[in-house]
Order: sequence, then structure tokens, then C-alpha cells
Amino acid sequence: AQSVTQLDSHVSVSEGTPVLLRCNYSSSYSPSLFWYVQHPNKGLQLLLKYTSAATLVKGINGFEAEFKKSETSFHLTKPSAHMSDAAEYFCVVSGQAAGNKLTFGGGTRVLVKP
Amino acid sequence: DADVTQTPRNRITKTGKRIMLECSQTKGHDRMYWYRQDPGLGLQLIYYSFDVKDINKGEISDGYSVSRQAQAKFSLSLESAIPNQTALYFCATSDASGGARNEQFFGPGTRLTVL
Repeated sequence: AQSVTQLDSHVSVSEGTPVLLRCNYSSSYSPSLFWYVQHPNKGLQLLLKYTSAATLVKGINGFEAEFKKSETSFHLTKPSAHMSDAAEYFCVVSGQAAGNKLTFGGGTRVLVKP
Repeated sequence: DADVTQTPRNRITKTGKRIMLECSQTKGHDRMYWYRQDPGLGLQLIYYSFDVKDINKGEISDGYSVSRQAQAKFSLSLESAIPNQTALYFCATSDASGGARNEQFFGPGTRLTVL
């Protein structure tokens, strides 16, 4: 079985300050991990993905995430938040043991204050 | 034009009514999925299809059915809608190659309200 826990349901940051969204996963085999973003009234867009290559993954819009197997974590960071980063973010795990299906975390809603 | 489209975008219906949500894609992907989103729960898989002749139940298939009319079309039906099916519904597609490494591409969602 696979599962994902996003440790914060809401995160509030000031524009220009760093963003950290925390994600822990559980998976029986070597997983693939994704971060998706959902802006209000929009579908989900892929930010980045880890698929057993480099453990530090760079994505779009200045986001990056580090895969840490020993900690079973895949935290998402951005050095400087922008107003347009206000959205909901989902950490997602996929693995062969689960038929390559995606398992979503509960989401983290990010508020960016001017 | 969007690669994954969903119709309708919004729907309000009454308890007991039959509802169909439609999804079309122009990405040429074999795999298609239906999810529902509820606040705080992320997305939960309802049904998925790896090709036109392959339909599989997901985590929460009770009360739903699907039809894969063609590679590009995948419809979700609520046979007799109930209020706790009020949610945001997403269709997604993915390529068959690469297995678990492949990202899924999502439509814009359908907001369904059952009164």
C-alpha cells in the first residue's frame, strides 16, 4: 500500500520569503513522486516529479523538491514567494505495487501576503 | 485548445437524477482516469481505463459507472445522484509508456452539486 501525508493543511508566507511545503510518503517499492499545483477554479498542473534519477528535482516557477529516502520525505521549497504562488499544492506518490495509480495527499493551501 | 476538456463545467441537479459527465482528450493517451476532490482529502480515484476495452474500479466506485466510448472519450455517470456526491470531479490522462513515472494531465474539472 502507498500513502502520502502533507503535514500542513495551510501555509501563510509573506511575498519574497521562502516557502516550505512538507510531504511524507509510504510506499512498498521505489516510488515516483510528484508535486501538483491547483490554482483557484483551475485543473491540476505538474510542478515537478522524481523518478529515481537525481534526488534534487527542479520544477517550474522556481520550485524544487528533494527526495530523501531515509526520511521518506519529498518536501517542496521555493526561495522567494510570489503572489501568483497562492494556490493549493498536492504531493502525490505512484508505484508499480499500486498498479501505477496516483495516491494524493490532502493538499496544502498557500496564502501569500503582500 | 485545451488537451483535456470536461463538460459540463458546472452542474446542479436533484437527488435521484441520472447525471453524465464527459471527458475528451486530444493528447493521444491510452489511459484515462476519473477522480473526485473533496476539501482536505485530495483527489480520490473513482474509475480508470488503460485502453478502450479495459475498465477498472478505483477507491470509491460505488454509485458511479463509466463508459470508454473511444480512445479519446471517457464518461462518468451517476445513476441516481445523492447529496454526498457533491464534489469537484476531474478527468485525467496519461501515456502508457513509463508506468509509474508518467505524470497525469488533468482537465479543468466539473463542479457538481446534488440538492
